[in-house]
Amino acid sequence: DIQMTQSPSSLSASVGDRVTITCRASQGISNYLAWYQQKPGKVPKLLIYAASTLQSGVPSRFSGSGSGTDFTLTISSLQPEDVATYYCQKYNSARTFGQGTKVEIK
Amino acid sequence: EVQLVESGGGLVQPGRSLRLSCAASGFTFDDYAMHWVRQAPGKGLEWVSGISWNSGSIGYADSVKGRFTISRDNAKNSLYLQMNSLRAEDTALYYCAKDRSSSSWYRGDAFDIWGQGTMVTVSS
Repeated sequence: DIQMTQSPSSLSASVGDRVTITCRASQGISNYLAWYQQKPGKVPKLLIYAASTLQSGVPSRFSGSGSGTDFTLTISSLQPEDVATYYCQKYNSARTFGQGTKVEIK
Repeated sequence: EVQLVESGGGLVQPGRSLRLSCAASGFTFDDYAMHWVRQAPGKGLEWVSGISWNSGSIGYADSVKGRFTISRDNAKNSLYLQMNSLRAEDTALYYCAKDRSSSSWYRGDAFDIWGQGTMVTVSS
C-alpha cells in the first residue's frame, strides 16, 4: 500500500508569513493528490485537487504543487482564520490520508 | 443545497454490530462514487470504504475488510455502512463523503462534500 507522509507534524508561524507543508508518497501517484483543511471541531474542507487546482471559493493565498511523489501546500500569507490541521490525500484507488499538519499562529 | 446527513451512530459493545446511514440531497446521487471516512478522537482522517455509482465496484481499508460492508440505494439517495464485529479501535466520528467528479471509487477524485459525521463508540 502507498503511504503518505506529511511534514512537519506541526508548525507555528506569524500572521503574514509564508507557510509550506510537504507531503510525500511512498510510490508515484502522478497528480492524484488533494489537500484538505480541518478547523477545530469542524468538518474537513477540500482546498486543492489534482495537486494544484484550487477548489472553488478557496482563497488564492492557498496553492499546491508537485507530481509523482513530492507535493507541497503553500499559504502565501498566513491569516488567523487559517489555524487548522491540513491533510494531504491520494485518490488513485484506495484513499490514503497523510497524518496531518497542525498550523498555529505564533 | 448540497447536503449529506449521517445517522445511526451510538454506543455499542465490542463484538456487536451497527448500521450507519447517510442521506444525500441537492445533487444527482447516482452520478457519483461515495465514501466513508472516520476520525478517532484527537486523531487524523482514515478512509474506510468507497463504492462506485452502481455498486459495481467497492473498496475497503485493510483495517475493516471482512467486518464492514458498504452499500447504497440510489432510489433512496442513501449510503450505508454495516459494521460487524466492532472493536474498541473502531471508535470514531464517521463521515460520509462525495467524490468530486467521478462515478468510480477506484479511479476517483477528491471529496468535495462531507457530512457532519455520526459518532460511534465501542465500549463495554
